[in-house]
Amino acid sequence: TQLLEQSPQFLSIQEGENLTVYCNSSSVFSSLQWYRQEPGEGPVLLVTVVTGGEVKKLKRLTFQFGDARKDSSLHITAAQPGDTGLYLCAADSGNTPLVFGKGTRLSVIA
Amino acid sequence: DAGITQSPRHKVTETGTPVTLRCHQTENHRYMYWYRQDPGHGLRLIHYSYGVKDTDKGEVSDGYSVSRSKTEDFLLTLESATSSQTSVYFCASAPGASIETQYFGPGTRLLVL
Repeated sequence: TQLLEQSPQFLSIQEGENLTVYCNSSSVFSSLQWYRQEPGEGPVLLVTVVTGGEVKKLKRLTFQFGDARKDSSLHITAAQPGDTGLYLCAADSGNTPLVFGKGTRLSVIA
Repeated sequence: DAGITQSPRHKVTETGTPVTLRCHQTENHRYMYWYRQDPGHGLRLIHYSYGVKDTDKGEVSDGYSVSRSKTEDFLLTLESATSSQTSVYFCASAPGASIETQYFGPGTRLLVL
């Protein structure tokens, strides 16, 4: 079973700060997705990255897929309280259903 | 947003009783999934379906069974609930496998006493 390690597990920051969270594995993936989950709700897809080295931007969020397609990062610029939630990465090896990491729980304090 | 609902949203039951959770989607998605989410474990796949009457086991399938008699409905059954099955259960659907976006339901919070 491939493992996805997400770090940090918990992150509490002040509004306006920048942050980066990571998703790492020893396996190579066909694609990787990032989801955000708010309390009491199901996860919602933010982005899918497919190509090694790919960078995608979604407003203040920047997603990067590692060159070797084994890792990914999510960078948030000028975090806002609305960014609070659980950030999950999920990876696809091509042959099995998505594997999810345990998530990074982000709290942005106003 | 894909229309995906779960019922019930909350349930309290006793050890040893059978429990069935229902997932309903209106998007004609081929794939449906059942996950459980627990602190320290993240989202873990229980079972999934790749078509009507086509199902397969996930990472934590012991103690659970599923059925899919219609495209829109995917049922998860705990034949004899145990306290270790206390969790939040999420259903998801997707038009295709893996790379396709999974659309999640709002979750069912199950407490087994």
